[in-house]
Amino acid sequence: DTAVSQTPKYLVTQMGNDKSIKCEQNLGHDTMYWYKQDSKKFLKIMFSYNNKELIINETVPNRFSPKSPDKAHLNLHINSLELGDSAVYFCASRGGGPQHFGDGTRLSIL
Amino acid sequence: TQLLEQSPQFLSIQEGENLTVYCNSSSVFSSLQWYRQEPGEGPVLLVTVVTGGEVKKLKRLTFQFGDARKDSSLHITAAQPGDTGLYLCAGGRDGGATNKLIFGTGTLLAVQP
Repeated sequence: DTAVSQTPKYLVTQMGNDKSIKCEQNLGHDTMYWYKQDSKKFLKIMFSYNNKELIINETVPNRFSPKSPDKAHLNLHINSLELGDSAVYFCASRGGGPQHFGDGTRLSIL
Repeated sequence: TQLLEQSPQFLSIQEGENLTVYCNSSSVFSSLQWYRQEPGEGPVLLVTVVTGGEVKKLKRLTFQFGDARKDSSLHITAAQPGDTGLYLCAGGRDGGATNKLIFGTGTLLAVQP
C-alpha cells in the first residue's frame, strides 16, 4: 500500500497554463508538506498544513496556492506557469515521527 | 538563511571502498536527519540524531552528530553498488507542530561494481 501518493507523476505543459498536483496520505498523519527539488537536487520546503490549517508558508510566489480539503489531502495549484517552475515537487506527511515522502511529480514547462 | 553545506557534492568510488560525507552549518539544530533518495523516488529516512556527539550505526553506515549540533557526518564502510544514491542531511528545529526541515545541498554517490 502506498503511504504518500502524488498524481500525476509527470506533468508536461506550456508556459502560462494553470495546473494542479494532488497528494493523499493514508498514514493518518496530521501534518502535510510540499517541497520543491530543483535541477541541482536542492530540496526546499514550500508549504505545510496541520489539520487543514496552513502553518508554514515560505517565500513562494502567489501563483502557488495549496489547498487541504481534509487532513489526508494536500493539493498544490499553480497559476500562470513559468519556465522556472520546472522541478520535481514532493509531498510529505508527518504524524509525530519522521516525515514520509511521496515519489514526486516531475513538472516540465515548455 | 540557514544553510547546510554537504561535501563532497559528487563521489564515485569502487565497491569495497570506505567513504565519508560531511554536513556543515553555522546554525544549531535540535536534530539532524540523513536521507537517501533514489532516482524517481522520494527521500527515505535513514537515521535521526538528536544529542551532541551522538553516534548511531545502521549496518555499514555510521552517523555522527557534532558536539555543538551544527554538523554531522555519514561514514560508509565497504560500500556496495546498492549504496548508490543521493544522500541528504536535514536539520530540524522541533518544539512545535511544524517540524520544518532545512535540507543540505546533497551528495551524489555512485558505487561501481
